[in-house]
Amino acid sequence: AQTVTQSQPEMSVQEAETVTLSCTYDTSENNYYLFWYKQPPSRQMILVIRQEAYKQQNATENRFSVNFQKAAKSFSLKISDSQLGDTAMYFCAYQQQGAQKLVFGQGTRLTINP
Amino acid sequence: SAVISQKPSRDICQRGTSLTIQCQVDSQVTMMFWYRQQPGQSLTLIATANQGSEATYESGFVIDKFPISRPNLTFSTLTVSNMSPEDSSIYLCSALTTYGEPQHFGDGTRLSIL
Repeated sequence: AQTVTQSQPEMSVQEAETVTLSCTYDTSENNYYLFWYKQPPSRQMILVIRQEAYKQQNATENRFSVNFQKAAKSFSLKISDSQLGDTAMYFCAYQQQGAQKLVFGQGTRLTINP
Repeated sequence: SAVISQKPSRDICQRGTSLTIQCQVDSQVTMMFWYRQQPGQSLTLIATANQGSEATYESGFVIDKFPISRPNLTFSTLTVSNMSPEDSSIYLCSALTTYGEPQHFGDGTRLSIL
């Protein structure tokens, strides 16, 4: 079974700094998708960024970018110029291609300090 | 992306009672899912809600405890039956518009059992 591991339970940085959240996963599949979701205190799960495993180019969405290392099964999220509104739980998730089930990591609680 | 509404947003229930959570999507979706998020934990898939047929449950979840309906392509319900304090969690509905696209989530229902 696929597993997703986030080794940083909590992180804290100052506003405007850059922060990187780590995620590793275990799968024997070659085709899959990886996601980062953000969950602020409001509870809503918000999609931050998505990466297709067959794409070598790292996905980018404004201040958010990933470092996808397929051979190492690593999928880290970099947040540049962090803002107070980035404070949230961040979950890494895996989805096997053809199967719609999402497997989530344990989450990283990120706090942006003023 | 689809807009997903969940009702109720929160509830406090007595032990032994049942509660039905509703999930409404503003457009027809391919698949709908129900997740549980226990306090301080990650998300765990309860089941996939299938339109017009019985839901597909994950290991550890049974229909008698979590009956699910999906009468059409935009609506689903999850019932938490015979509740105990261990059922205190956030329950989230998600929807998939197209295969290969990300799942989008509702705001969740925070359930507390006394």
